[in-house]
Amino acid sequence: DAKTTQPPSMDCAEGRAANLPCNHSTISGNEYVYWYRQIHSQGPQYIIHGLKNNETNEMASLIITEDRKSSTLILPHATLRDTAVYYCIVRARGIQGAQKLVFGQGTRLTINP
Amino acid sequence: GAGVSQSPSNKVTEKGKDVELRCDPISGHTALYWYRQSLGQGLEFLIYFQGNSAPDKSGLPSDRFSAERTGGSVSTLTIQRTQQEDSAVYLCASSPTRGPRSPYEQYFGPGTRLTVT
Repeated sequence: DAKTTQPPSMDCAEGRAANLPCNHSTISGNEYVYWYRQIHSQGPQYIIHGLKNNETNEMASLIITEDRKSSTLILPHATLRDTAVYYCIVRARGIQGAQKLVFGQGTRLTINP
Repeated sequence: GAGVSQSPSNKVTEKGKDVELRCDPISGHTALYWYRQSLGQGLEFLIYFQGNSAPDKSGLPSDRFSAERTGGSVSTLTIQRTQQEDSAVYLCASSPTRGPRSPYEQYFGPGTRLTVT
């Protein structure tokens, strides 16, 4: 799996958009970008994934650069409940890619009132 | 709909005792995973079930650990002769596999916090 690099921590004001960057310069053509988060004392939560097109769901938007070497997760109107560690993961599709989800250090996002 | 559920939410056991942890995946999800997470650490993969295929047990740390999945749904993780180093949060996840070329997002349960005294 391609290695990802994220800033260790970020702060954002409540109500503002939180933009979390991720570098994955060694990503391969068949690898998806996934984002998960883990709120304190809870299990990890899937947020969104994408291949090359920008994606949006009820939780967030995912912007992937044209060269696919980096991406940004956007929480459009951050709330205090969005305080969590956010993990960017690059995984190949297919049966083999379904296994052994591995989190790096992630970005600890703190939403301030 | 209902998410992944796990029971018990907390388990305190004495060293040397056996424990069973239960996972109910999301209905219709064919893939099921067990992980554990020690305090402040990342996820450690334990075992993976996919449909009727033989499970991938490559992450089980010792032969004291075993898991089964009955009827392609509920799974039980069993730890025999527990040791203090087994203390961790045990997480279960399920995945809606849709075919060999589909991306697989994993949906996690709340975990079981195991404390071995």
